[in-house]
Amino acid sequence: DIQMNQSPSSLSASLGDTITITCHASQNINVWLSWYQQKPGNIPKLLIYKASNLHTGVPSRFSGSGSGTGFTLTISSLQPEDIATYYCQQGQSYPWTFGGGTKLEIK
Amino acid sequence: DVQLQESGPGLVKPSQSLSLTCSVTGYSITSGYYWNWIRQFPGNKLEWMGYISYDGSNNYNPSLKNRISITRDTSKNQFFLKLNSVTTEDTATYYCATLYGNYFDYWGQGTTLTVSS
Repeated sequence: DIQMNQSPSSLSASLGDTITITCHASQNINVWLSWYQQKPGNIPKLLIYKASNLHTGVPSRFSGSGSGTGFTLTISSLQPEDIATYYCQQGQSYPWTFGGGTKLEIK
Repeated sequence: DVQLQESGPGLVKPSQSLSLTCSVTGYSITSGYYWNWIRQFPGNKLEWMGYISYDGSNNYNPSLKNRISITRDTSKNQFFLKLNSVTTEDTATYYCATLYGNYFDYWGQGTTLTVSS
């Protein structure tokens, strides 16, 4: 199985900050990387697919980049509604696997 | 929009089988997509369990070995998860979700399952 390692596991930032979350794959996954947002008590929601493509309705302050084994999710101008846990997921090969999550808190 | 809704018993005893239902509205499960089960353990780790495709084929996570079966009832636009020989390690929130290409775009609200005697 492809292992997905996210860092940091938790992050505290101020409103208006720009933050970056990293996801590292244990082998080459090309651009088959998706990001999900899970707000407290809610379901995971797709943010970004194919490494850098914003899902419908996702604000443009979210962006993704990377290829191969290293990927980043960037949130610019942090808003209160961005409080959530963020997960990466590889779609290169079965079984699909997820990162362990990054919990984002507002200072 | 596609809407998915899970339902299940809530509590299952160890060594028994769990059966969950995902009811789909807004889209026919025979028209497209791959229809998945994903679970989230206490502590929030996510695990993809498997799918049944629009044409009825399956793909399962090898970690679940021969315990898992995903079937469907096309007349009711539902698909099902059966997991045999459950243990406390199977305690989780279970989601059904659509797979489009290689990402999950629609998710149900989830159903919590506890395995306990």
